[in-house]
Amino acid sequence: QQQVKQSPQSLIVQKGGISIINCAYENTAFDYFPWYQQFPGKGPALLIAIRPDVSEKKEGRFTISFNKSAKQFSLHIMDSQPGDSATYFCALTLKQGAQKLVFGQGTRLTINP
Amino acid sequence: DAGVIQSPRHEVTEMGQEVTLRCKPISGHNSLFWYRQTMMRGLELLIYFNNNVPIDDSGMPEDRFSAKMPNASFSTLKIQPSEPRDSAVYFCASSLDRGLYEQYFGPGTRLTVT
Repeated sequence: QQQVKQSPQSLIVQKGGISIINCAYENTAFDYFPWYQQFPGKGPALLIAIRPDVSEKKEGRFTISFNKSAKQFSLHIMDSQPGDSATYFCALTLKQGAQKLVFGQGTRLTINP
Repeated sequence: DAGVIQSPRHEVTEMGQEVTLRCKPISGHNSLFWYRQTMMRGLELLIYFNNNVPIDDSGMPEDRFSAKMPNASFSTLKIQPSEPRDSAVYFCASSLDRGLYEQYFGPGTRLTVT
């Protein structure tokens, strides 16, 4: 079964700093690499997504970087704010069989004011 | 514009009882997903419907779990009999076919089985 390994499990960053979350995958049969953000008591919500033919995508303070040869992708949050404190999940969509999302284990991000 | 609606939001039940969780997807979405979230196992896909038909139920833990989607606007996840290890937050999500990576999650149902 396809797996996505996410690190770190938890991360504490000072306000204004850069938060970096990494994910590694094993297989190559995928379509998209989305990142989801989840606040306590809420369901996950799509934050940003990247296609495998693109090496980087930026939306505001959020940037996804994709390294196909290393089979890794990462989320960078620039100028991190206390409101960014949440759990972040990387994911990928499988091409083989029934298409579905496979999620990483999640990273609990805390931004200290 | 209403998002995915789930009910109940919280459910506390005793071991052995039947539990039914309900979901109303976003209108126009034709894919529906049931997930379970726990600290130990993270976010797990239980079952996935497309156009009301179950496509992949490989994540359903065991025969105690069953899911139905009688029409495009309603789905249920039933656990019978429930066990303490079923305690988790259960999410329903929906998406358009072409935007499969873009799933819209409901607020979840927190299930506690004592």
